[in-house]
Amino acid sequence: DGGITQSPKYLFRKEGQNVTLSCEQNLNHDAMYWYRQDPGQGLRLIYYSQIVNDFQKGDIAEGYSVSREKKESFPLTVTSAQKNPTAFYLCASNEDGDYGYTFGSGTRLTVV
Amino acid sequence: QKEVEQNSGPLSVPEGAIASLNCTYSDRGSQSFFWYRQYSGKSPELIMFIYSNGDKEDGRFTAQLNKASQYVSLLIRDSQPSDSATYLCAVNYGQNFVFGPGTRLSVLP
Repeated sequence: DGGITQSPKYLFRKEGQNVTLSCEQNLNHDAMYWYRQDPGQGLRLIYYSQIVNDFQKGDIAEGYSVSREKKESFPLTVTSAQKNPTAFYLCASNEDGDYGYTFGSGTRLTVV
Repeated sequence: QKEVEQNSGPLSVPEGAIASLNCTYSDRGSQSFFWYRQYSGKSPELIMFIYSNGDKEDGRFTAQLNKASQYVSLLIRDSQPSDSATYLCAVNYGQNFVFGPGTRLSVLP
């Protein structure tokens, strides 16, 4: 079955550490997205990519980095510059802007 | 400023009643409108989308769009306890979507 796989499901980060969240899709979608969700809040866009080897900053890109070397993969790195990284991270993809997203199951990141 | 607003709730309705969820948006140029359901601790899942003014029905769900008023709503008929979740409204702005904060719905048995 086609879908989006995010890993790990839970991730703990120490202060000053970089961590990478994995996102893989087999839907053959060109566009992929990373969102952050904080308790009681909506989804906020971190980065998005509409084609391989190209990506754009979203509304809250500071402290994050991404790469898009393959169509299927869009990993997100949470760097030490992100001062408040504890949140639920969601990866999504879609065919183009007129279609809704398919979401992965999410990664819950906690700073310890 | 791209804004999507929803009443955060919680909205409580008795089982079998109609639940009405509302969403307003700021950009008159928006063309695509989506409703997602999100259970606690899970990722959102798409339940309805609407592009044209008027109503669109799918089973127990009806989406209503009024572009002149910049208003989109979701009606859930014969509400069930399994419908208890947070409902997110999403509106396109160009290539991307902006999500509202969500409305938490509680269906009481």
